[in-house]
Amino acid sequence: AQSVTQPDIHITVSEGASLELRCNYSYGATPYLFWYVQSPGQGLQLLLKYFSGDTLVQGIKGFEAEFKRSQSSFNLRKPSVHWSDAAEYFCAVGAQGNEKLTFGTGTRLTIIP
Amino acid sequence: SQTIHQWPATLVQPVGSPLSLECTVEGTSNPNLYWYRQAAGRGLQLLFYSVGIGQISSEVPQNLSASRPQDRQFILSSKKLLLSDSGFYLCAFGLGQGFETQYFGPGTRLLVL
Repeated sequence: AQSVTQPDIHITVSEGASLELRCNYSYGATPYLFWYVQSPGQGLQLLLKYFSGDTLVQGIKGFEAEFKRSQSSFNLRKPSVHWSDAAEYFCAVGAQGNEKLTFGTGTRLTIIP
Repeated sequence: SQTIHQWPATLVQPVGSPLSLECTVEGTSNPNLYWYRQAAGRGLQLLFYSVGIGQISSEVPQNLSASRPQDRQFILSSKKLLLSDSGFYLCAFGLGQGFETQYFGPGTRLLVL
């Protein structure tokens, strides 16, 4: 069975600083991976996804993520965060032909001035 | 382009009352449909998913049920609400193209008193 671990429950970053949110997955075959963002009281918005090919994927809002098979990781990065990036971030893993995604428990990001 | 709607946005219901939450998708045919629950401070729990009209898969046994009376309509119901049913309910759809990407609605906040 596939699983996703987001080891950081809460991260606080200063505005303008760089950001890295960690995601580790467990899956026997080649996974496909997602990052979603959720603002308070809102639904989830897709930031980016990895299916195959280039292991560094670019997403919306200046985010990127890198797939590292050897480390079973798909960490989300942003070089300079903005106050509007404060939200909950979810990593998810899926598989070809499987309708379901497995979500991590989320990382809450707080931005301080 | 596809859009997804959920209503109501907020609902306060007494314990033991019935529930009906509705989700509709526009702009696509035969989508995969999903109901998730998000309890306060926790991740997403998949409740039900559907790959076609009348086809419902239940992930977690509980006093909720789901129905798909039309291709792009997904309904979450309960005959008698429990306090533990409080939470944020999210509907999502996928295009069922083998590599499933899920797109989320705005959510319904349910408070059972």
